[in-house]
Amino acid sequence: QQQVKQSPQSLIVQKGGISIINCAYENTAFDYFPWYQQFPGKGPALLIAIRPDVSEKKEGRFTISFNKSAKQFSLHIMDSQPGDSATYFCAASRGTYKYIFGTGTRLKVLA
Amino acid sequence: GAGVSQTPSNKVTEKGKYVELRCDPISGHTALYWYRQSLGQGPEFLIYFQGTGAADDSGLPNDRFFAVRPEGSVSTLKIQRTERGDSAVYLCASSLPGAISYNEQFFGPGTRLTVL
Repeated sequence: QQQVKQSPQSLIVQKGGISIINCAYENTAFDYFPWYQQFPGKGPALLIAIRPDVSEKKEGRFTISFNKSAKQFSLHIMDSQPGDSATYFCAASRGTYKYIFGTGTRLKVLA
Repeated sequence: GAGVSQTPSNKVTEKGKYVELRCDPISGHTALYWYRQSLGQGPEFLIYFQGTGAADDSGLPNDRFFAVRPEGSVSTLKIQRTERGDSAVYLCASSLPGAISYNEQFFGPGTRLTVL
């Protein structure tokens, strides 16, 4: 019930392409769903987050799509750039103190 | 302004030894969190402080792990009788008051602990 399942484990995208990462959760009490970006040797940094009262949130090239009935949410990176190459983690929580993280997706954007 | 800082950045120790990992949160952040990130995995919640008190320590794996935050700012994660399985990156994060307030957690760069 506490798991957040993330896929794919790794992803290779051409520059300018769309990167899509998916997550699924079980606990319906979760009400906050952030995405974090992590570069090697650095801590995770918040990219974008959504609460379940909306189905989509967009910030620049990054969009979260949220499907409450399916208990799934996804990150779309439009016009992917080599600088986007990093590991991406989805997470879920009730409130924002006890994140349950997915296992991560290693994204590589080819120049 | 300064972000979350953690020291040391790397720590190598021998099995059975005691280690302390330090976290300096962002000034003014009353909430502080510790996570553990094993290789190829997402961070795993260990403990949450609101002010000086541990509001939730349900993620600490066993009684060899202990954390303090005596003055409501700097926190120290203490691991006794280290085991090889404790090897991981220990991440600290801080935020404005946590729990139901939906405030962003800001992560430090982590301390990489290696137990030989």
